[in-house]
Amino acid sequence: KQEVTQIPAALSVPEGENLVLNCSFTDSATYNLQWFRQDPGKGLTSLLLIQSSQREQTSGRLNASLDKSSGRSTLYIAASQPGDSATYLCAVPMIYNQGGKLIFGQGTELSVKP
Amino acid sequence: SQTIHQWPATLVQPVGSPLSLECTVEGTSNPNLYWYRQAAGRGLQLLFYSVGIGQISSEVPQNLSASRPQDRQFILSSKKLLLSDSGFYLCAWSEGDSYEQYFGPGTRLTVT
Repeated sequence: KQEVTQIPAALSVPEGENLVLNCSFTDSATYNLQWFRQDPGKGLTSLLLIQSSQREQTSGRLNASLDKSSGRSTLYIAASQPGDSATYLCAVPMIYNQGGKLIFGQGTELSVKP
Repeated sequence: SQTIHQWPATLVQPVGSPLSLECTVEGTSNPNLYWYRQAAGRGLQLLFYSVGIGQISSEVPQNLSASRPQDRQFILSSKKLLLSDSGFYLCAWSEGDSYEQYFGPGTRLTVT
């Protein structure tokens, strides 16, 4: 059974710092991994999707990597800004599933202080 | 471009009352559709998913049900709400199994 863990649960950094959020999953056969952002009381915004054939994806100041062999993904945020404050969630598909069902980690709550 | 809508945005219902939450997607055809619930302080839990009209799969035994009467419409229902049904309900869609999932704005349900 696929399980997803995110560390740390919460993170507070000063503005301008580079930071790394971690996501680990138990079944290395996953065929993709998706990172989301959630603002308080809002829906999820997709940030990056990494397919199993890729090792990383970049979007602006965000860079996500995927290492299937170790069951890990990292989300790197460069030059953090107060507007980056949100909860970040990673998700992987249920193995052998039909329909693209996702299993989510519990999230990392990020606070960037001005 | 594709958009996903959910309504209502917030809902307060007494225990034992019925429920109907609606989700619609625009700008795509034959999407996979999903209902998730996010309880306070907890992660997202998949409730139902659908790969086509009238095709519904349930992930968690509960007093909720889902229907897909049209290609881009997904409805979450209950005949009698429980206190434990309170939470944040999110609808999502994707073009297929290995594609990105996109989420709606959510419905905050409080059962009193």
